[in-house]
Amino acid sequence: AQKVTQAQTEISVVEKEDVTLDCVYETRDTTYYLFWYKQPPSGELVFLIRRNSFDEQNEISGRYSWNFQKSTSSFNFTITASQVVDSAVYFCALRSNYQLIWGAGTKLIIKP
Amino acid sequence: DSGVTQTPKHLITATGQRVTLRCSPRSGDLSVYWYQQSLDQGLQFLIHYYNGEERAKGNILERFSAQQFPDLHSELNLSSLELGDSALYFCASSVATSSGGTGELFFGEGSRLTVL
Repeated sequence: AQKVTQAQTEISVVEKEDVTLDCVYETRDTTYYLFWYKQPPSGELVFLIRRNSFDEQNEISGRYSWNFQKSTSSFNFTITASQVVDSAVYFCALRSNYQLIWGAGTKLIIKP
Repeated sequence: DSGVTQTPKHLITATGQRVTLRCSPRSGDLSVYWYQQSLDQGLQFLIHYYNGEERAKGNILERFSAQQFPDLHSELNLSSLELGDSALYFCASSVATSSGGTGELFFGEGSRLTVL
């Protein structure tokens, strides 16, 4: 069965701290895709990244970085030097076997 | 701006009423998805259309229905509304093929429905 687990319901850090959001997935497929989305307080859902199962290279985009490890079925998201504007709910999702499975989301609070 | 347009952005109505939410996908996207997000909840998948045809159904109530028109815009109809239907309803589009594909979803800003 496909499943995405975001065990951290809520994380609160002080601005400028680094923070990592965990995402663990389950699938028996060899081809699959992983995504991260951001939902700020304003409510819209913003696509951040897609990673396919054949590409385990980590990716960095400014203060954001993603660590994909097939060995542990994890696709973690790190924000370096966090800012108040990073406060949002972050969702991890898995596309596998024609289904799109969403994690429950992690609420990230960045305190000034 | 994701390129996905949803109207209305806000809607307040009474129990028992019927509303229609509208979605225009990104240019070229054939797939449209509808999601419901209740307060402090995750995303609940409702339904997926591809090029006018229903492809997958999630936890969509019988009181809810949707369709995708030849111009690819989609409408979600919610009838006999209950208090518990108050939620943020998202539409998303994707370049995904009929079988799902690889494409990420691009979401509209959502339609916030309040049922009083």
